[in-house]
Parts: sequence; C-alpha cells; structure tokens
Amino acid sequence: SQKIEQNSEALNIQEGKTATLTCNYTNYSPAYLQWYRQDPGRGPVFLLLIRENEKEKRKERLKVTFDTTLKQSLFHITASQPADSATYLCALLNQAGTALIFGKGTTLSVSS
Amino acid sequence: NAGVMQNPRHLVRRRGQEARLRCSPMKGHSHVYWYRQLPEEGLKFMVYLQKENIIDESGMPKERFSAEFPKEGPSILRIQQVVRGDSAAYFCASSPGTENTGELFFGEGSRLTVL
Repeated sequence: SQKIEQNSEALNIQEGKTATLTCNYTNYSPAYLQWYRQDPGRGPVFLLLIRENEKEKRKERLKVTFDTTLKQSLFHITASQPADSATYLCALLNQAGTALIFGKGTTLSVSS
Repeated sequence: NAGVMQNPRHLVRRRGQEARLRCSPMKGHSHVYWYRQLPEEGLKFMVYLQKENIIDESGMPKERFSAEFPKEGPSILRIQQVVRGDSAAYFCASSPGTENTGELFFGEGSRLTVL
C-alpha cells in the first residue's frame, strides 16, 4: 500500500538558519507532490506543488526538491523566522488519482 | 471571494446522537473532499464528491458515516450514533478543476467532541 513518511515529528532551529524537512514515499510513483502549512487550530494552506519532471521549485524563501529515484522530497525554508513555526505536511495524489494523501507532518519551531 | 466555509466550527454531541457537518466550497469549485484529523495524527482522506456524485469513498467508515453534495447547497458529512472515537477535527477542501492536479483549498475545520 502507499506510504508517506515525514521523518521528523518535530524540528527545532534558530532564527536565520535553514530548515530542511524530509518526505519519503513508497509503493507508488506520483505525478506530483505538494507541501502545505498548518497552524494550530487552522486548516492546511497550500505552499508549493512540484511535478515529477521538475527537480526543484522555489517560491520566495521556500525551496522544494523532488527525487523520483530516491522517492523523496526535501522542503527547505531559508533565513527562517519565528513566524515560520508551524506544521508542514507533504501530500501525494493517491494511485486512484482521486485524492491527496498526506503525511503526518513535521512541526517546525523557530526560536529567536 | 470567500474561502471554503465550514460550520459549525465546534460541535459537542453525546454518544448515540447524530452529527452533521456542513461545507460550502469556494465559488466556482465543484469538487469537495472530506478529511479527518485525530490528535497527533495526520489528515486522513474520507470521501471525494462532485455535485450529486460520490467519486471515491474509500476512506469512509462503512457504517454510520455518509456524505452528500447536492445540486444546491453545501456538502454534508453525517455521522450517526456517534461514539467517543469520532471525536476529531473534520476538514473540508475544495478544488475547481476537471483534473486532480492542483492544490486543495481547505476550510478551518469542524471540531467534533463526543461526550
């Protein structure tokens, strides 16, 4: 069955450093991968989508890579700020092509 | 353009009662998805609907749970005879497209507490 794993449940870093979050998947080959941000008590908010033929995608301080050989995506936040503290979720389209399947998320805490 | 609207935001039910959660998708969106999030767990897909049709309900428990998205009005997730294990945040998301290749727009969730 399809599995998505986000390796770290929690990540604590200092302000100004780069945060790197990992998403691994097994048993399928998604056409694209998405990253979302979720704040406590709120719904997830879309951040970035990367397709299987794209190695890297950037948006302001965010960078996502997608390695279909390793079956892994890395999500980077450069020059991190306390306001970046949140839970970050990776998501893949299921094999049926009908819905996004989410990882459990990594909770990032950026301290000043 | 209003976002995805869910109500109620908080709902308290006693065991055995019914819970009805409503979701109005973003304007122009015809695809609705329901997810459940338990404490310390990820978002679990429940059901995908288009207007008047259930497309994929593979994540929905076979008993007590049902969903609809009528031609007019919001999508409804209905839980009959609730049990304590149904306590969770239920999120609705919508998307516009004819293809499932884009982002989902989520509501703020409905938090169900079963006493």
